[in-house]
Amino acid sequence: GDSVTQMEGPVTLSEEAFLTINCTYTATGYPSLFWYVQYPGEGLQLLLKATKADDKGSNKGFEATYRKETTSFHLEKGSVQVSDSAVYFCALTKTSYDKVIFGPGTSLSVIP
Amino acid sequence: DAGVIQSPRHEVTEMGQEVTLRCKPISGHDYLFWYRQTMMQGLELLVYFNNKAVMDDSGMPKDRFSAKMPNASFSTLKIQPSEPRDSAVYFCASSFQPLYNSPLHFGNGTRLTVT
Repeated sequence: GDSVTQMEGPVTLSEEAFLTINCTYTATGYPSLFWYVQYPGEGLQLLLKATKADDKGSNKGFEATYRKETTSFHLEKGSVQVSDSAVYFCALTKTSYDKVIFGPGTSLSVIP
Repeated sequence: DAGVIQSPRHEVTEMGQEVTLRCKPISGHDYLFWYRQTMMQGLELLVYFNNKAVMDDSGMPKDRFSAKMPNASFSTLKIQPSEPRDSAVYFCASSFQPLYNSPLHFGNGTRLTVT
C-alpha cells in the first residue's frame, strides 16, 4: 500500500545551521505531498504543500520540491532558529481516496 | 475563525471508566478525522467522517471505541471501558473538499491518561 518514510530523529542542530529532513513516498498515481509541523503541546499545522511533480512548496523559509523521479519531498531550510524546534511530518494524499497518510515524524531541536 | 476546538484538554480517569472526547470542526468543513498519537505508534487514524457519515473506522477498536457526528458542528469519540493502553493524545482534524488540495486543520488535542 501507499506509505511515507522519513529520516529518523531526533535531529539536533545549532542555530543558523542548514536543515534537511528527508522524505520519500511509495504511491501509485500522482499524490499531493505535504509537510506539517507540530510545536510542543499543539496539534499539527500545515507548513507547505505541492500538488504536482516539480512543484516547490515554500513557507517561513522552508522549502520542499516534489521529485517524482526519486519519489521524494525533502524539507530544507537555510538557517534554522530555536523557534523551529518541533516535530515535522511528511504526508501524502491522492484524488482516489479520502485520507491522508502521514510519515512517522522527525523531531528537530535547535540549540542556541 | 476559532479553529478546531477540542475538549477537554486533559483527562485523567481510572481503568474501566467511560471517557468522552469532544470536537467542534471549522464551520463549512466536510471532513472530520480522529487521530491518536503515542510515542510508540506515532499518529494513527482511528475514524473519519465525510458529511457526517462514517467513511472508514478500520483503525478504531470497535469493541470499546465509538465515534459519532450527530451534526456538522460536533463530533464525539467515546471509550468504554477505558484501559491504560488507551493513554495517548487524541486529535481531531477537519478539512474540506477536495482533500488532495486542502490541508487538515488540527485541534490542540486531548491528553488522556488512564490509570
